[in-house]
Amino acid sequence: AQSVSQHNHHVILSEAASLELGCNYSYGGTVNLFWYVQYPGQHLQLLLKYFSGDPLVKGIKGFEAEFIKSKFSFNLRKPSVQWSDTAEYFCAVNANNQGGKLIFGQGTELSVKP
Amino acid sequence: EPEVTQTPSHQVTQMGQEVILRCVPISNHLYFYWYRQILGQKVEFLVSFYNNEISEKSEIFDDQFSVERPDGSNFTLKIRSTKLEDSAMYFCASSERLAGPTDTQYFGPGTRLTVL
Repeated sequence: AQSVSQHNHHVILSEAASLELGCNYSYGGTVNLFWYVQYPGQHLQLLLKYFSGDPLVKGIKGFEAEFIKSKFSFNLRKPSVQWSDTAEYFCAVNANNQGGKLIFGQGTELSVKP
Repeated sequence: EPEVTQTPSHQVTQMGQEVILRCVPISNHLYFYWYRQILGQKVEFLVSFYNNEISEKSEIFDDQFSVERPDGSNFTLKIRSTKLEDSAMYFCASSERLAGPTDTQYFGPGTRLTVL
């Protein structure tokens, strides 16, 4: 069965620090990869997605993620975080041959200290 | 920007009661989904729906659950006889297409269901 693993449950950073959140998935076939963010009191919003092509994808608010197929990874990065990035971040996978179902990781809570 | 909306935001019910959670997907979307997140756990897929029928469902989606698109705008999740373990945040999502570059799923704000 497919699964998604996010390495960090809670990350605490100071403003301007660099961020990298890990995401690994287990599935041997072609996948579509997503990072969603949930700001406090708000709904899940798409940060970025990978379907094909350039494995380095850029999303909103300065976030980017790199798909490394050999490592089954899709880590999220941001060079300099802001207090407003405080949120929960979810990695999700959709297998191309399994309809639209998204398999989510457990989420990483990011707290950015001003 | 169009949004997925859900009502109510919070539903409290007694064990054994029926609940209906409502969602209004984005108007030109064709694929609809329900997910749930039990407190402290992962967001889990429940069911997908297309062309007025279930496309896929998880093992969680047993006979107690049903989905319906009663009119051109609403998409509902019914739990016939709620159990304590049904307490969770329920998210509705919709997408324009099933797969491909435009298949981003847009999520609603969720309904928190509390079963007492």
